[in-house]
Amino acid sequence: AQRVTQPEKLLSVFKGAPVELKCNYSYSGSPELFWYVQYSRQRLQLLLRHISRESIKGFTADLNKGETSFHLKKPFAQEEDSAMYYCALSGPLEYGNKLVFGAGTILRVKS
Amino acid sequence: NAGVTQTPKFQVLKTGQSMTLQCAQDMNHNSMYWYRQDPGMGLRLIYYSASEGTTDKGEVPNGYNVSRLNKREFSLRLESAAPSQTSVYFCASSEAWQWGSTEAFFGQGTRLTVV
Repeated sequence: AQRVTQPEKLLSVFKGAPVELKCNYSYSGSPELFWYVQYSRQRLQLLLRHISRESIKGFTADLNKGETSFHLKKPFAQEEDSAMYYCALSGPLEYGNKLVFGAGTILRVKS
Repeated sequence: NAGVTQTPKFQVLKTGQSMTLQCAQDMNHNSMYWYRQDPGMGLRLIYYSASEGTTDKGEVPNGYNVSRLNKREFSLRLESAAPSQTSVYFCASSEAWQWGSTEAFFGQGTRLTVV
């Protein structure tokens, strides 16, 4: 079964501090992993995906298949990073590309 | 630039009433999804449709039905609304490829209250 676990409901950090949002997954095959972000009064949108290996807005995430984790990191948090962050997992086409999300983590960056 | 359009944006229902949430996408995506968002529960998948003509249950399908009317439209129906269905509902679409989903695009959400 596909499952995504985000253990922290709320993460509060000061501006300039490092940020790590945790994500663990359960999947029997090779999934695609994503981070989505929802800023206040905006639509949910893609932040980054593991397959592209990009750094978006200073955020990076590395897929660790051994630990089944896909943690989101940023070395120096900014106030505009305050938002709800969702980790998500998608299976291959043969399983219908089911896209499953975690419970989300609210990131609050304090000045 | 429409992307994914959901209607209505807000709705109040009485217990036992029925309603249909509409969703349309103009990106020619094969896959479409319905989620509900509840505090502390995140986004939970209700139903999804991998392609036109197919639908599958997600994590929380009870009390809901869906119709993939064509490639563009995917509707969610509450036959007999219950207070437990008070939530924010999101429709999304993405393209399907061999290894998984491409970027999913979301509607603006429907805030449903059942009294």
